[in-house]
Amino acid sequence: KQEVTQIPAALSVPEGENLVLNCSFTDSAIYNLQWFRQDPGKGLTSLLLIQSSQREQTSGRLNASLDKSSGRSTLYIAASQPGDSATYLCAVRFNKFYFGSGTKLNVKP
Amino acid sequence: DTAVSQTPKYLVTQMGNDKSIKCEQNLGHDTMYWYKQDSKKFLKIMFSYNNKELIINETVPNRFSPKSPDKAHLNLHINSLELGDSAVYFCASSQEGTSGYNEQFFGPGTRLTVL
Repeated sequence: KQEVTQIPAALSVPEGENLVLNCSFTDSAIYNLQWFRQDPGKGLTSLLLIQSSQREQTSGRLNASLDKSSGRSTLYIAASQPGDSATYLCAVRFNKFYFGSGTKLNVKP
Repeated sequence: DTAVSQTPKYLVTQMGNDKSIKCEQNLGHDTMYWYKQDSKKFLKIMFSYNNKELIINETVPNRFSPKSPDKAHLNLHINSLELGDSAVYFCASSQEGTSGYNEQFFGPGTRLTVL
């Protein structure tokens, strides 16, 4: 059974801290993995997409890595800011997309 | 310009009614999706259309019927609404085709409340 898990469910950090969000999946036969952020009452904003042949992608203060053999992806956020507060979701594409339940991040000023 | 748009944003209705949600994308993508996000914020795919053809049809009640009049539109019609249908419904699109599997772009969501 294909599953996507995100731990922790919630995370609170002081502003300026570097942090890592985790996403794990049960099947290494993935096509790609996409990280999103969701603000309360809003839709999903795409952050980074990693194809199965790639190991990492970077955008600004964000860096996402992919290790298919261990079934893991991490989203690294450097120098966190209060504006980063949101729920972060990872979506893994097997034959179709599966979403994790998200990590709710709170960056305290 | 909005890339993926949905209407309405909010929908409040009585049990037993029939309602529709509309989705349009102006990205030129060939694939569109409907997702349901429940009260625990868990997102689950319901349907996927590629070039107006249904390619993913999850185990959802047949009261839910998607319709794709063209590549840019994917509507969701729900018959005989039930309390458990209350959720946020998201439309998304991506470009599949021969270039590989590309990122999804999501609409703002439609919050459906069934009373």
